[in-house]
Amino acid sequence: AQSVTQLDSQVPVFEEAPVELRCNYSSSVSVYLFWYVQYPNQGLQLLLKYLSGSTLVKGINGFEAEFNKSQTSFHLRKPSVHISDTAEYFCAVIGQGTASKLTFGTGTRLQVTL
Amino acid sequence: NAGVMQNPRHLVRRRGQEARLRCSPMKGHSHVYWYRQLPEEGLKFMVYLQKENIIDESGMPKERFSAEFPKEGPSILRIQQVVRGDSAAYFCASSPKTTGAYEQYFGPGTRLTVT
Repeated sequence: AQSVTQLDSQVPVFEEAPVELRCNYSSSVSVYLFWYVQYPNQGLQLLLKYLSGSTLVKGINGFEAEFNKSQTSFHLRKPSVHISDTAEYFCAVIGQGTASKLTFGTGTRLQVTL
Repeated sequence: NAGVMQNPRHLVRRRGQEARLRCSPMKGHSHVYWYRQLPEEGLKFMVYLQKENIIDESGMPKERFSAEFPKEGPSILRIQQVVRGDSAAYFCASSPKTTGAYEQYFGPGTRLTVT
């Protein structure tokens, strides 16, 4: 079984400041890792994913994440946030060989202000 | 290329009624997943279906909930005799048939309110 921990339920940040949203996972098998964003009253949109290869993954809207196997982490970063980045961010994993169901963290609310 | 479609977007039911939620996957996608999001929580996996087959229903409550994905038409998530605790957002996702395609595309969700 897999589990995902997002320790920060809310992250307030000023516009144009950098941000890091933390994600740690636990799994008895190797995993694939994802970050999704959810805007109010909308579905989830994929930001980026790690399947294999380079541990630094670049996604849409200027976001990137780094897979650290030894620390079982997949933190999301953006060097300069915009007001429009205000949303809920979910980290998720799929255990290899587990029929592709996503296991989500509880989410981090990113609040960007002027 | 239309995305994943869900209807209705909002559904209000009284306790004891039935709720039917529909999901049309993206064109060319034959894998469908249903997730439930309770207020202030992340999404929880419910069921994974392929055409005419339930692959994994380990997240489905044992009673009142059922899902299908017929050969023709949308996938249906059915909740019988709804209770207040069923109030949540229900999301459908789809992925292509290609082996190793782990990316799931989500619909806008159906927000179920039980009064």
